[in-house]
Amino acid sequence: KAGVTQTPRYLIKTRGQQVTLSCSPISGHRSVSWYQQTPGQGLQFLFEYFSETQRNKGNFPGRFSGRQFSNSRSEMNVSTLELGDSALYLCASSRADTTDTQYFGPGTRLTVL
Amino acid sequence: GEDVEQSLFLSVREGDSSVINCTYTDSSSTYLYWYKQEPGAGLQLLTYIFSNMDMKQDQRLTVLLNKKDKHLSLRIADTQTGDSAIYFCAESNNAGNMLTFGGGTRLMVKP
Repeated sequence: KAGVTQTPRYLIKTRGQQVTLSCSPISGHRSVSWYQQTPGQGLQFLFEYFSETQRNKGNFPGRFSGRQFSNSRSEMNVSTLELGDSALYLCASSRADTTDTQYFGPGTRLTVL
Repeated sequence: GEDVEQSLFLSVREGDSSVINCTYTDSSSTYLYWYKQEPGAGLQLLTYIFSNMDMKQDQRLTVLLNKKDKHLSLRIADTQTGDSAIYFCAESNNAGNMLTFGGGTRLMVKP
């Protein structure tokens, strides 16, 4: 069974631009969560989607948004990029509608110049 | 709020056992996880334990959970150089699939 895939793997953007990252969950998984990893703040939860609805949201500004499609694929968008948004963005998928084991993708490395 | 803490660094010799420790504060934690991250890679799920268990063994990995002290440990038997990585513990509760991670422990295995 294929794992969680994320595209693109690497991105370079400039301040003020916007970016969209994509995540395809493991087949049959309906929950997709997004995390930001930085050297300073570590791994922080962004949001979780289940059945096309945002179920949980972390403490990030409104510039960070996401959505989930009917096939469970998810995208996250960051508008008006700032230097501090440079990070590894990780997507995780799980099967169930309650707490369940999460499997992570390889991440998208975003660099903001 | 929830807080998960780990020591920053651990160095062991190849063939020895490694023990990585983690403490958490959320008493409503239902699942506790250990993930491994190698340079430039995502997170690999190693093992997990339900909060109503005390111990779980999976090949070279042994997880111990002390609920009273909110302490979790991961023991790696016969540690190999390929085990060198950053290890994260994480907890989740009944609020859905939201993981709270520790800061990670960098394990260095010397030949």
